[in-house]
Amino acid sequence: GDSVTQMEGPVTLSEEAFLTINCTYTATGYPSLFWYVQYPGEGLQLLLKATKADDKGSNKGFEATYRKETTSFHLEKGSVQVSDSAVYFCALSEYFGNEKLTFGTGTRLTIIP
Amino acid sequence: EAQVTQNPRYLITVTGKKLTVTCSQNMNHEYMSWYRQDPGLGLRQIYYSMNVEVTDKGDVPEGYKVSRKEKRNFPLILESPSPNQTSLYFCASSLRGDSNQPQHFGDGTRLSIL
Repeated sequence: GDSVTQMEGPVTLSEEAFLTINCTYTATGYPSLFWYVQYPGEGLQLLLKATKADDKGSNKGFEATYRKETTSFHLEKGSVQVSDSAVYFCALSEYFGNEKLTFGTGTRLTIIP
Repeated sequence: EAQVTQNPRYLITVTGKKLTVTCSQNMNHEYMSWYRQDPGLGLRQIYYSMNVEVTDKGDVPEGYKVSRKEKRNFPLILESPSPNQTSLYFCASSLRGDSNQPQHFGDGTRLSIL
């Protein structure tokens, strides 16, 4: 079955540091890939997505590129801010009559001023 | 404002006492789903619904029931809650038939079963 393996956390960085959170996946076909973010006490919000190989998703300074050859979708940001502190989830979706999202375990990110 | 609303946000209850967590969305979405979030496991799907009166099991359905009598509502029912159902629960909705569509999540319901 489908699965997502995500970089173990927690991750602590200083403000303005470069961020990478690794994500690799296993899927039967050609999934869509997502990064969701969860701020404290809130539900998950879509951060970015990519629907086919070599697509780059981007939003709020975050980027991730759909790499079919390495089955990866790593999240990057060039200069993190304190407001980026949250839990980040990598996820995939394949449509088999169910728009189910398969999630990684989540990575807690803390940015120190 | 487009939103998914869950109630209650927090609940502490005892083993065996039936409870219902409500979920309502105002986006006219056909697809709705329930997930539970547990440390080290991410989110796992409990049940989903493709439209009114159409529901099916997800990956971890044991001990849960759902119904979809109206398009906007998708309640999660725990007939006889047990401590292993202590978790953070999320309801989600989206347009159906397209795995490219992002899902919209509620703010979560934290259940503690004593």
